[in-house]
Amino acid sequence: GQQLNQSPQSMFIQEGEDVSMNCTSSSIFNTWLWYKQDPGEGPVLLIALYKAGELTSNGRLTAQFGITRKDSFLNISASIPSDVGIYFCAGQRGLAGSARQLTFGSGTQLTVLP
Amino acid sequence: DTEVTQTPKHLVMGMTNKKSLKCEQHMGHRAMYWYKQKAKKPPELMFVYSYEKLSINESVPSRFSPECPNSSLLNLHLHALQPEDSALYLCASSQVGTNYGYTFGSGTRLTVV
Repeated sequence: GQQLNQSPQSMFIQEGEDVSMNCTSSSIFNTWLWYKQDPGEGPVLLIALYKAGELTSNGRLTAQFGITRKDSFLNISASIPSDVGIYFCAGQRGLAGSARQLTFGSGTQLTVLP
Repeated sequence: DTEVTQTPKHLVMGMTNKKSLKCEQHMGHRAMYWYKQKAKKPPELMFVYSYEKLSINESVPSRFSPECPNSSLLNLHLHALQPEDSALYLCASSQVGTNYGYTFGSGTRLTVV
């Protein structure tokens, strides 16, 4: 199926450093989501963005919904070991009825070195 | 209750077995989803249920059979699977009338031998 262009594919950083990752799409989305997934677990929603240009923070996480509605970035400040995992962006569209469809990025594997 | 609960957490089955995966949520969400995820890949949509009716089947082989017996439960019946069907199977739900993101369960790790 369709995927968003997410970069970088992987990152190795030192504890305490800041991290930035982004997603781009050829299609417009009305909602952008950022999920984190730990090994053997399901994705956990970190931040949801609902309006073009919106900048939202959740603790050390900051994400923005691009003005064109075709891109988003996620920043993590002062990384810690528990930030390790795979980060997925997802664009969301409504479907007929109550459902919504997510299109996922390919993921960014983050490794934090002590 | 803000969780999606999936059982079992791990399942090993032979290619001739019949098994079922179960998903439950009590958040009043009326859309529920099944996803399949291979290692280090994003989740891939399999089925969408809206108000307990199947609304999307992403060309999934018939050896996977979904069922939504009520607004809180979603099952995935498995029969005659292949080794390449081994994956993490994720259930998710979403709230009607909002743009809030999905809530995912922790998944069932399926191994077909």
